[in-house]
Amino acid sequence: QSALSQPASVSGSPGQSITISCTGTSSDVGAYDYVSWYQHHPGKAPKLMIYDVTDRPSGVSNRFSGSKSGNTASLTISGLQPEDEADYYCNSYTSTSTVIFGGGTRLTVL
Amino acid sequence: QVQLVQSGVEVKKPGASVQVSCKASGYTFTSYGISWVRQAPGQGLEWMGWISAYNYKTNYAQNFQGRVTMTIDLSSNTGKMELRSLTSDDTAVYYCARDRWDGTFDYWGQGTLVTVSS
Repeated sequence: QSALSQPASVSGSPGQSITISCTGTSSDVGAYDYVSWYQHHPGKAPKLMIYDVTDRPSGVSNRFSGSKSGNTASLTISGLQPEDEADYYCNSYTSTSTVIFGGGTRLTVL
Repeated sequence: QVQLVQSGVEVKKPGASVQVSCKASGYTFTSYGISWVRQAPGQGLEWMGWISAYNYKTNYAQNFQGRVTMTIDLSSNTGKMELRSLTSDDTAVYYCARDRWDGTFDYWGQGTLVTVSS
């Protein structure tokens, strides 16, 4: 099973908004509202930023939001801050009761 | 507070096996599962599989079927992952994560570096 498709990199200036896409199939992203997004700084454990497509865990800034249309989920970060610079991964539950990750997107804050 | 504490660095030779443990605290252990995720150098996150701490049901990623075993020790609230027949491609940081059951990993261990080298 191939990884979900994410852009390799995105960039933005402080204060701007960026969106990262996560494209799967009708057997994963399109089949369930079980899409999550993780922020990963090198050398640290990944951090859950969005779950169930749109929900934010307690403590996560409301600058982070999620959405989904068909087989594509998206993470939007508004009001970019330098500390947002990290790798971002989506994942989805699948029709075979497994979990699949995206290939990851490196966010650079210019 | 919820914590997952993993065992330490491992160095193994090709063909050997490795076991990584993940001790949980701060929540009702049997209400969640444990998933294992790895990241090889320069690569992305890769899901390896999941085990329920409630009924020990497992679900392994196809890439690891037949080579991985995940277990639960309720006496110590610990999840364990054993990977066999190691090759250099298994060199990675291995993470455990608390899993609702559907790929929502809300708490993660600190990671365990496993190096496979002759």
